[in-house]
Amino acid sequence: NAGVTQTPKFRVLKTGQSMTLLCAQDMNHEYMYWYRQDPGMGLRLIHYSVGEGTTAKGEVPDGYNVSRLKKQNFLLGLESAAPSQTSVYFCASRRQGTDTQYFGPGTRLTVL
Amino acid sequence: LAKTTQPISMDSYEGQEVNITCSHNNIATNDYITWYQQFPSQGPRFIIQGYKTKVTNEVASLFIPADRKSSTLSLPRVSLSDTAVYYCPPPNKYIFGTGTRLKVLA
Repeated sequence: NAGVTQTPKFRVLKTGQSMTLLCAQDMNHEYMYWYRQDPGMGLRLIHYSVGEGTTAKGEVPDGYNVSRLKKQNFLLGLESAAPSQTSVYFCASRRQGTDTQYFGPGTRLTVL
Repeated sequence: LAKTTQPISMDSYEGQEVNITCSHNNIATNDYITWYQQFPSQGPRFIIQGYKTKVTNEVASLFIPADRKSSTLSLPRVSLSDTAVYYCPPPNKYIFGTGTRLKVLA
């Protein structure tokens, strides 16, 4: 039981490049979340999903897109990376009916 | 709008008990109170959850008064490895804020 995993762990992009971050969970959770964490800013919700095939915007969605084609996977895409998107990205999942989130180890992204 | 308030930072020495209090604005009747812990370069992890009175596990205790407008996370006899950020997000809102940065000193 791996819990929540994130791929890749580190990535460096140039401005304007695109990439996709993958989050996978093996707990059969309905809800999944993407956060970003910047120094001194805490965790901010980017997008979330309440089930397969559904997504919704969080607090800071601009510049990101997401997809939830399979229940166990939640993808975060950056179509044209900007230096302001340099951050640590965390994925989390939650079982419906509970309030506890389980987080992945994070992806450290640097945009030059 | 549901919101929680907690101290930005705290310092303690090894072996002391640390209490971090969180105020819960507009907590709903059915909401549970959950605390998370985040070590540097790791994702947050669940440490304890409660509804009222006192809950204890192998990591911490959680005290919730009858009015449920606050909660206190208690870490007994902290060690250097308890240095972390502690969060008490509003239930069901997933707003983690900056948490309380606990630094344990030798």
